[in-house]
Amino acid sequence: KAGVTQTPRYLIKTRGQQVTLSCSPISGHRSVSWYQQTPGQGLQFLFEYFSETQRNKGNFPGRFSGRQFSNSRSEMNVSTLELGDSALYLCASSLVTARTEAFFGQGTRLTVV
Amino acid sequence: SQQGEEDPQALSIQEGENATMNCSYKTSINNLQWYRQNSGRGLVHLILIRSNEREKHSGRLRVTLDTSKKSSSLLITASRAADTASYFCATDAENFNKFYFGSGTKLNVKP
Repeated sequence: KAGVTQTPRYLIKTRGQQVTLSCSPISGHRSVSWYQQTPGQGLQFLFEYFSETQRNKGNFPGRFSGRQFSNSRSEMNVSTLELGDSALYLCASSLVTARTEAFFGQGTRLTVV
Repeated sequence: SQQGEEDPQALSIQEGENATMNCSYKTSINNLQWYRQNSGRGLVHLILIRSNEREKHSGRLRVTLDTSKKSSSLLITASRAADTASYFCATDAENFNKFYFGSGTKLNVKP
């Protein structure tokens, strides 16, 4: 059974640009959640999607958005990038909810210059 | 602020020794999970303990939960160099419908 796939693995963007990250969950999993990991703030919850609907949202500005498609694949978008958005972005998939068990991808390392 | 805080922030032990790390949280929870993260990679789920459970075992792992103190501990027995990683607790906060990670404990097991 294939694991969670995140693409791309590494990304370098310039301040002000926007970026889209992709996550393919484990087959059969309907919940996808996203996290930002930085040395200063640790692991922070961004949002969770279930059956194409955003079910939960963390405390991030509106520049951070996401969506989920009918095949459960998810994308997150960050617009007007800031230097502080440099982080490891992790996606996790779950059968129903990450709040019982989540399977994580390897992450996308975003560097904003 | 984060729901969970872990202690110690870093721990260095010799192979074969036991490692204990603690997690404290602020609000009532439905369950608590422990995850492991190898440097710069994704997290791996280790164990989940529900709020009505006090202790759980999985291989060399032993997790305890004290809801009156709002704390949990993860014990790794007979540690190996391969256990070197960061360990995070994650809480499913009751009434908040959210999922919070602790700050993590960085474990170094010296061969």
